[in-house]
Amino acid sequence: AQRVTQPEKLLSVFKGAPVELKCNYSYSGSPELFWYVQYSRQRLQLLLRHISRESIKGFTADLNKGETSFHLKKPFAQEEDSAMYYCALRGWKGAQKLVFGQGTRLTINP
Amino acid sequence: DSGVTQTPKHLITATGQRVTLRCSPRSGDLSVYWYQQSLDQGLQFLIQYYNGEERAKGNILERFSAQQFPDLHSELNLSSLELGDSALYFCASRLQGACGYTFGSGTRLTVV
Repeated sequence: AQRVTQPEKLLSVFKGAPVELKCNYSYSGSPELFWYVQYSRQRLQLLLRHISRESIKGFTADLNKGETSFHLKKPFAQEEDSAMYYCALRGWKGAQKLVFGQGTRLTINP
Repeated sequence: DSGVTQTPKHLITATGQRVTLRCSPRSGDLSVYWYQQSLDQGLQFLIQYYNGEERAKGNILERFSAQQFPDLHSELNLSSLELGDSALYFCASRLQGACGYTFGSGTRLTVV
């Protein structure tokens, strides 16, 4: 079964502090992992894919297959980072639908 | 603009009614995915269509149905609406073989 777990529903940090949003997954195989961001209940926007190994808006995420994790990190939080963040998994078989975690609401305090 | 168009943006209707939500995928994308986003359930996959055919079903109620037309736009039909159906309904499209999913802005459904 495909499952994504984001253990923190809410996360609050101060501006300039480091941020880490946790994501753990369950999948019998090699999945593809994504992070999506949603500002004020707008459309979901792709933030990162583990395959591309890129840094967007200062965020990075490394796939750790041993720990089945894909945590999202940023060294210095900015106020505009306040949003809802969803970790998602896609398997390689069948419909290849995205399975989302429950999301973490990140609030950056000034 | 992501290229995925959803209409209407907002919909308010009464319990027991039926509504149709529409999604036009990005040009060239054959796959359409429907998701329901509610406060208590998060983002739940409902159903996927590929080039007019149903490909996969997720947590979709029997009162809900969908279809994809020859021009590739898709409609999600919700009937016998209940208060608990109030949610944001998103569709996403994807080009076959591509990794990226592009989401629309969603339809906010309020059942009163």
